[in-house]
Amino acid sequence: QQPVQSPQAVILREGEDAVINCSSSKALYSVHWYRQKHGEAPVFLMILLKGGEQKGHEKISASFNEKKQQSSLYLTASQLSYSGTYFCGPRRSNDYKLSFGAGTTVTVRA
Amino acid sequence: SQTIHQWPATLVQPVGSPLSLECTVEGTSNPNLYWYRQAAGRGLQLLFYSVGIGQISSEVPQNLSASRPQDRQFILSSKKLLLSDSGFYLCAWNSATDTQYFGPGTRLTVL
Repeated sequence: QQPVQSPQAVILREGEDAVINCSSSKALYSVHWYRQKHGEAPVFLMILLKGGEQKGHEKISASFNEKKQQSSLYLTASQLSYSGTYFCGPRRSNDYKLSFGAGTTVTVRA
Repeated sequence: SQTIHQWPATLVQPVGSPLSLECTVEGTSNPNLYWYRQAAGRGLQLLFYSVGIGQISSEVPQNLSASRPQDRQFILSSKKLLLSDSGFYLCAWNSATDTQYFGPGTRLTVL
């Protein structure tokens, strides 16, 4: 079952912040975050394990609340290069696969 | 270091024609391998995954099939393409740290 991402799209000016949320109806082992630029393959940003908060990429960080089965991605002081579609990919502990959300399109304008 | 290759990069095929897309991974052994499809403007749909040679799990029953003839080779096939098979096909592999890395993709247009 696919996780639910919100918002579907967000428009930012350089320097602004944004939060992307990802919710699952299933108990999770980890959550993966990816960014995809138009016409390109998704690029791995970071992985969140149970109880972990990790800053993995530029000024982008994320949190994972396993009790609520939710993860959030924080874009801080956004740059033009942050534009793209962000996908969360939760994984359950007894599973080899990720279930990706529909994505959140982020547009950063000068 | 590990790298993942996919070919071809783009493909235009007529309806009813066969398909074969290839994915190979270098620099690792016994990886979990995955095929995804992404329709235009949509999310990532898992098609198949494999945890070893000859072991294929299908997520979406349709006119596609997958095979893993060698440890680091994953092939996606179809006997007869449909218009709805158009999309961006992505191969991915899992590292030991549970990170999934995507290949560059194949953009397939069925006319």
